[in-house]
Amino acid sequence: SAVISQKPSRDICQRGTSLTIQCQVDSQVTMMFWYRQQPGQSLTLIATANQGSEATYESGFVIDKFPISRPNLTFSTLTVSNMSPEDSSIYLCSVEVLRTGAEAFFGQGTRLTVV
Amino acid sequence: AQTVTQSQPEMSVQEAETVTLSCTYDTSESDYYLFWYKQPPSRQMILVIRQEAYKQQNATENRFSVNFQKAAKSFSLKISDSQLGDAAMYFCAYSDYGGSQGNLIFGKGTKLSVKP
Repeated sequence: SAVISQKPSRDICQRGTSLTIQCQVDSQVTMMFWYRQQPGQSLTLIATANQGSEATYESGFVIDKFPISRPNLTFSTLTVSNMSPEDSSIYLCSVEVLRTGAEAFFGQGTRLTVV
Repeated sequence: AQTVTQSQPEMSVQEAETVTLSCTYDTSESDYYLFWYKQPPSRQMILVIRQEAYKQQNATENRFSVNFQKAAKSFSLKISDSQLGDAAMYFCAYSDYGGSQGNLIFGKGTKLSVKP
């Protein structure tokens, strides 16, 4: 298994500002993922973060809006840039632990409110 | 593209009773994983149960079991002896076998309420 620490757990931000969310894993993992969960909705993959290469973004998400860093095998950050109220969501990171057969482990999520 | 459909936005069950949550999916792959995740108000996504598509036997985990119908592309979750702590959002999810296995495709979720 994997234990994931995600912070902050919640924040209220002014529109036009940026917020960086951190995700720390207790073991080395190859792939980390960032999801967005809009109010009352399911999870949507934003991007896949691999160590040593640029993140791969899903359709509808761009690097300028959601820059991602992956400096090592245990850590990643997601920045939500130039925020607007539409960015109010829960953001979750997850990791893949191959030894457990495709199970994904999730952080506690960051509840972001943009005012 | 793969899709996951949960047709029940909300369900309710009496404590100690049994409830079944429905999930259908669409894929052209023959090997894949299916999951049920639970998301309580704490927001932590917790894996409830996992099914490998190549296995004919339905997965079971204590009070949780699935009815996996590969031909029908159906994957329902049965919760027996429901407890108050089972109240949460339940998400059905799909993952291709091999490649990026952490790239999960989620359904829209079913909100389960448990009445005392």
